[in-house]
Amino acid sequence: DAGVTQSPTHLIKTRGQQVTLRCSPKSGHDTVSWYQQALGQGPQFIFQYYEEEERQRGNFPDRFSGHQFPNYSSELNVNALLLGDSALYLCASSLSGKQYFGPGTRLTVT
Amino acid sequence: QKEVEQNSGPLSVPEGAIASLNCTYSDRGSQSFFWYRQYSGKSPELIMFIYSNGDKEDGRFTAQLNKASQYVSLLIRDSQPSDSATYLCAVLRTSNDYKLSFGAGTTVTVRA
Repeated sequence: DAGVTQSPTHLIKTRGQQVTLRCSPKSGHDTVSWYQQALGQGPQFIFQYYEEEERQRGNFPDRFSGHQFPNYSSELNVNALLLGDSALYLCASSLSGKQYFGPGTRLTVT
Repeated sequence: QKEVEQNSGPLSVPEGAIASLNCTYSDRGSQSFFWYRQYSGKSPELIMFIYSNGDKEDGRFTAQLNKASQYVSLLIRDSQPSDSATYLCAVLRTSNDYKLSFGAGTTVTVRA
């Protein structure tokens, strides 16, 4: 049974650029959440997608946007990258409230 | 006041001992509580969840919840070097709130 997968594993971007991160949920899971984890901190909730709609959003600017596809996979887009966007981006899929994380995408903005 | 607070540690315990990790939360209406283990450079792994007051045991792990005191803890019995990791406490507030709120984590080191 495949777990949550994310791509790419690592990414280096320049300030001002745009980035797209991808996530495929665990088999049978229909909900995808995205989190940002800075070094030494706990993950911070960005937003959650369910039935192809953004169901809840955390305290992140509009530069952060997402999408969920009919097969439940999801994308996270970040525009106008800032140095402070450098972090580990985690996707979590869930069923019945328990969230399971993928391996993450390490984004470095230079 | 932070939503979820944990002792940052580091917590160092000898192999075979009990490691005790604590977590407090601010929203009295919180309903679901989770413990994740995160190895250095890896993503969080769900190891325990608890919804009701009392204790829940799973192998060497015991989660304890006291809603009146807004306190949840994790005990690791017979600690092993492979338990060395950062442990994250996470809280789900209500049935209409889908956001996991995390503490900053407690780093545990098990000395062989």
